[in-house]
Amino acid sequence: EVVLTQSPGTLSVSPGERATLSCRASQKINSDYLAWYQQTGGQAPRLLIYGASTRAAGIPDRFSGGGSGTDFTLTINRVEPEDSAVFYCQQYGRTPFTFGPGTKVEIK
Amino acid sequence: QVQLVQSGGGVVQPGRSLRLSCGASGFTFSNHGMHWVRQAPGKGLEWVAVIWHDGTNKYYADSVQGRFTISRDNVKDTLYLDMDSLRAEDTAVYYCARVLKGGMDVWGPGTTVTVSS
Repeated sequence: EVVLTQSPGTLSVSPGERATLSCRASQKINSDYLAWYQQTGGQAPRLLIYGASTRAAGIPDRFSGGGSGTDFTLTINRVEPEDSAVFYCQQYGRTPFTFGPGTKVEIK
Repeated sequence: QVQLVQSGGGVVQPGRSLRLSCGASGFTFSNHGMHWVRQAPGKGLEWVAVIWHDGTNKYYADSVQGRFTISRDNVKDTLYLDMDSLRAEDTAVYYCARVLKGGMDVWGPGTTVTVSS
């Protein structure tokens, strides 16, 4: 099973700053099959990024994904108050598909 | 509009069974793979199962393998999750989600399953 580790566990940022979230895989992820999701409160998650770097429909360009192999990042430029959420990475290159434990982003 | 409507959650005793349903509308259901994902109270997301668009392939998390069965009816545009031998640790909000280019781009609102005596 591919284990995903996310860091930091919690990130506190001020509006307008940049936030960088990390996702590290225990094995190389085939074809960069990695996605990022945002979950706010008790709502269903929202797809932000798939294929490691492709933004999903309707996602602001403040959100960008990068990396390959075993190390991936989600960058949020010009953080806004509504970005307060938990962010999860997920790999779909190998079954069982797995999620990381999440990074909580707090807005100062 | 594109949406997934879920039903079937509830309170069930350990060892019993439950079936979750996820009805699709606003898109061609038979063109998309579908997932089940769950979230235990206060915990992160856990992938549960996936089924290919035509039902030919199904894969499960180790934690549910042999107890849960994912299926779909492409005539009724509905996804199912049959859960047998339920345990307390299966207590969670269960989400269905549509596959688009690998990512899960449309999610249902979730349905709560509570396993308790």
